[in-house]
Amino acid sequence: AQRVTQPEKLLSVFKGAPVELKCNYSYSGSPELFWYVQYSRQRLQLLLRHISRESIKGFTADLNKGETSFHLKKPFAQEEDSAMYYCALNPAEYGNKLVFGAGTILRVKS
Amino acid sequence: DAGVTQSPTHLIKTRGQQVTLRCSPKSGHDTVSWYQQALGQGPQFIFQYYEEEERQRGNFPDRFSGHQFPNYSSELNVNALLLGDSALYLCASSRQLNTGELFFGEGSRLTVL
Repeated sequence: AQRVTQPEKLLSVFKGAPVELKCNYSYSGSPELFWYVQYSRQRLQLLLRHISRESIKGFTADLNKGETSFHLKKPFAQEEDSAMYYCALNPAEYGNKLVFGAGTILRVKS
Repeated sequence: DAGVTQSPTHLIKTRGQQVTLRCSPKSGHDTVSWYQQALGQGPQFIFQYYEEEERQRGNFPDRFSGHQFPNYSSELNVNALLLGDSALYLCASSRQLNTGELFFGEGSRLTVL
């Protein structure tokens, strides 16, 4: 069965500190992984996907198939990064049947 | 473009009743997916509609059914409501070939008493 685990419910860091939001997945096939973000009073939105290998708002995420991880990183946290972050796995060959983790709240303190 | 719109935003039902939630996809999108998000959990996939047919389904009972109309809008129906059906129901739209990039609505908050 496909599963996404985000071990931290809450991550609190100071502004300017590095951030790493952990995500581990369980899937026997070739995974397609995503990070979604929900800012306060906004809807859930895509932050980045592993196949694009791009940096969005300073965030990057590398797929590590050996460790089955897809951790989200940012070298210097900003207050506007405070949000709920969800890691998601698409196990289907096509379509958007995403499996989401439980989410991690990131709080960036000034 | 208003993006994905859902209605109603909030509703309260009692056990055993039936509910219908509605969703209009983002302009240019033809695929609609529904997710259930219980408190403190991530969204859980219910089903996906494309070309007016259910294409994929998650682990939800037959009490959960849906429909997609020719204009790509969609409905989610839940029969014989249980207390455990209380949740935020999210609609997401996408282009059929654009895997994983979902555009979400703000959700319909269902409370079952």
